[in-house]
Amino acid sequence: DAGVTQSPTHLIKTRGQQVTLRCSPKSGHDTVSWYQQALGQGPQFIFQYYEEEERQRGNFPDRFSGHQFPNYSSELNVNALLLGDSALYLCASSLGHTGELFFGEGSRLTVL
Amino acid sequence: AQSVTQLGSHVSVSEGALVLLRCNYSSSVPPYLFWYVQYPNQGLQLLLKYTTGATLVKGINGFEAEFKKSETSFHLTKPSAHMSDAAEYFCAVRGSNYQLIWGAGTKLIIKP
Repeated sequence: DAGVTQSPTHLIKTRGQQVTLRCSPKSGHDTVSWYQQALGQGPQFIFQYYEEEERQRGNFPDRFSGHQFPNYSSELNVNALLLGDSALYLCASSLGHTGELFFGEGSRLTVL
Repeated sequence: AQSVTQLGSHVSVSEGALVLLRCNYSSSVPPYLFWYVQYPNQGLQLLLKYTTGATLVKGINGFEAEFKKSETSFHLTKPSAHMSDAAEYFCAVRGSNYQLIWGAGTKLIIKP
């Protein structure tokens, strides 16, 4: 039974570029949440997708957007990258929006 | 609003010694509390959680935590540290939107 998988594991971008991160949820899960974890800090909630719609959003600008596909996988897009966007981006899946979160290993983004 | 404070960004103990990682929370509703562990370059793994019922919660790898409402605390303990316990530990409380609100983390260092 595959857990939560994320790709790519590492990537480097320059300021102003755009990035897309991908997440496949744990088998049987229908809800995906995205978190940003800056170095030395705890994760910060970005948004949650359920039934292909953004259901909840944290305090992140519109440069951060996402999508959920019919197979429940999800993408996180960040436009106009800033140096401060450098972080580990974690995807978590759950069964419904109240279910226990299972995390992937993250995508580490470095913005130069 | 909910919040989490973890006392000590770094905790160092000798192998075989007691591990105590401190977590205090604030919540306007009965809290759901969690401890996660993050090994280097990996995602977050659930150690244990408190929802309702017994205030002493046992988790994986010999860890346990006690919910103390009067002290608004949920400290994590392990009787005897092992080298493999070296990692970063995060305490979290579930927010009103069912997302997790995280502490800043405590890095556990095990001395041989």
